[in-house]
This record gives sequence, structure tokens and C-alpha cells, in this order.
Amino acid sequence: SQELEQSPQSLIVQEGKNLTINCTSSKTLYGLYWYKQKYGEGLIFLMMLQKGGEEKSHEKITAKLDEKKQQSSLHITASQPSHAGIYLCGAVYMNYGGSQGNLIFGKGTKLSVKP
Amino acid sequence: NAGVTQTPKFQVLKTGQSMTLQCAQDMNHNSMYWYRQDPGMGLRLIYYSASEGTTDKGEVPNGYNVSRLNKREFSLRLESAAPSQTSVYFCASSLTGNLQETQYFGPGTRLLVL
Repeated sequence: SQELEQSPQSLIVQEGKNLTINCTSSKTLYGLYWYKQKYGEGLIFLMMLQKGGEEKSHEKITAKLDEKKQQSSLHITASQPSHAGIYLCGAVYMNYGGSQGNLIFGKGTKLSVKP
Repeated sequence: NAGVTQTPKFQVLKTGQSMTLQCAQDMNHNSMYWYRQDPGMGLRLIYYSASEGTTDKGEVPNGYNVSRLNKREFSLRLESAAPSQTSVYFCASSLTGNLQETQYFGPGTRLLVL
């Protein structure tokens, strides 16, 4: 969706290096999800952020939502080959009627980690 | 628990053929979804079912029909397949469809329409 842009489209890093993936929205988010997908498999839920300025961590992965709730970043510390895959952000917006909209996904960031 | 299961895993169809993609979840979730994933397009919602007995169109419903057979099962039907429907199809489910519950995804069905 043009409402949600992910960058970079692909990323190759050396094992042990840190990296950041960004997800930018053209309008205020109601909520933001991060998923990981391995080739040939479904999506695995990582984290969900809803409050401006919120930050969550799971093992070596940290996700933040900015104060304006229009951008989120996913940071991986000391990357490992097991981190390789496609990372997708998913956004929920409020409809004009005030109801919660459906989940809209970014196009994904393909991460490769070289041993 | 198996989570969300999908059948078949792979399928090749000729243009004009019909087929049904099956999805089942054993998590007692109320809401179920069908997405397609295409290169450069990301995941797009085809149809969803907020609860048993209800279905609604998503972003790209044309050429598809769905049936919420019961609480566990949500099928996606292609009546007359077209090459543009070549894609990877994912089924997902969530407890209530509210933001606070995440969606759990199946492993996907890879469909090639010749």
C-alpha cells in the first residue's frame, strides 16, 4: 500500500552487525505490527506498538514507534543467520466512522545475514 | 495445537479452472482472513470473516468467493482462475479481530495459473 513504506527493500549484513529497518506511514497510525517471514512459511508475529513513543524488545530485536505515530523502526543487535528473512510491518488505521480498519502491510524488507 | 493450517501447499491450474483453498484453525478464534502476497505488492487482504456467519470484502476481492463453513474453517474459492491470480495465498486468524490481538498466519498456498 502507498500509505505504508518500508525501507530498505533489501539488506545484506555481516553476522554480528547491527541493522535498522524503517516503516513510514503517510498518516497517523492506530497501531503498528512487525512480522517476520521465512521463505515458504507464514508470518510470525514479533511485536505490536500502539502508543506514541512506545518501545518493545524481544531478545535482540527492538521496535519503536515515534511520538507522532507515523514511523516505526525495527532494530536488530548483533545479527545472526537466524535473523534472516523478510520483515513486514503492518498498520491499522482508524476509518472515517471511527471504527478500526483492516491490517495493511508494507512491501517487506528482505534481510540476509552473511556468516 | 496445529495453529492455522492450509491445503494444498502447491497448486497449478489452467486458466478457467476452479479450485478451493482450505483453511482451518484450532485456536477457537472468531476472526479469519485471506491474503494474497505478490512480489512488490506486499500482502493484500482479499476477504475476511469477523465471526462465524459473516464475511466481508477486503482490498482485492474480485475473482474470489469465500465461505465461513464453521468457526474453524474459512475457504477461498476461485471460480474461473486467471493468470493474474498466480500468487501465494495466506490464511490468518485472530481471537476477536481487535487491534490488541495479533493475527496468526498459516504456511501459505502457492498457486500458479497457466
